[in-house]
Amino acid sequence: KNQVEQSPQSLIILEGKNCTLQCNYTVSPFSNLRWYKQDTGRGPVSLTIMTFSENTKSNGRYTATLDADTKQSSLHITASQLSDSASYICVVRPEEGSYIPTFGRGTSLIVHP
Amino acid sequence: EAGVAQSPRYKIIEKRQSVAFWCNPISGHATLYWYQQILGQGPKLLIQFQNNGVVDDSQLPKDRFSAERLKGVDSTLKIQPAKLEDSAVYLCASSLVLAGTYEQYFGPGTRLTVT
Repeated sequence: KNQVEQSPQSLIILEGKNCTLQCNYTVSPFSNLRWYKQDTGRGPVSLTIMTFSENTKSNGRYTATLDADTKQSSLHITASQLSDSASYICVVRPEEGSYIPTFGRGTSLIVHP
Repeated sequence: EAGVAQSPRYKIIEKRQSVAFWCNPISGHATLYWYQQILGQGPKLLIQFQNNGVVDDSQLPKDRFSAERLKGVDSTLKIQPAKLEDSAVYLCASSLVLAGTYEQYFGPGTRLTVT
C-alpha cells in the first residue's frame, strides 16, 4: 500500500530561524514528489516538484531534497517569516496505474514573532 | 488565468440532509479531482475524472456520495444523506492531463459542517 509519512506533526519556531520538515514514502514505482503549502482556509499550492533523477529543488527560501534510494524527502525553510505559518504537505505520485497521488497528513508550522 | 472555482465556500446542514458542491476547473484542464480533508489531516482522494469519465472512485462512499462531470468541464459532488463524520473541507483540483509532472491546482474548498 502506498504511504506517505510526514514529521514532525507540528512545529513552532521563531521568526528568522530555519527549519526542516521530513517526508518518508513507500510509493513505487515513483514518478514525482511535490511539496505543497496550505494556508488556513485555502487550497494547497505547489512549492516544488522533483522527479526520480533530481535530488534538490529550490523555490526562494524553500529548498526540497530527495533521496530516491531511501525514499526520503525534506523541505528546508530558510530565514522563516510569519507568512510561512501554514501546513506543508508532501505528495507522491506513482509512475503507473491511475497515477493517483498519495498525500501525507502534513506538518503544521507556526512562526512566532 | 482564472483558478479553480468552488461554491459554496461554507455550508452547515443537519445530519440526514443532502448537500451539493460545485466545481469549475481551470479552462482546458482534462483531469478533475474531488478530495475530502478532515481537520488536521491531508486531503483524501474521493474521485478522479478524466474529461467526463471516472478514472478512480475507489474511496468514494457510494452509498451516500455521488459525483458527476457530465460535459467534461464543471463537476458536482453530492452527499445524501449526510452524516456527522462528513464534516470536512471538500477540495476540488484540476490538472492539464492525468499523468506526468503536471501540477494539480486546488480551489479554495467548501467547508461542510454537519450538526
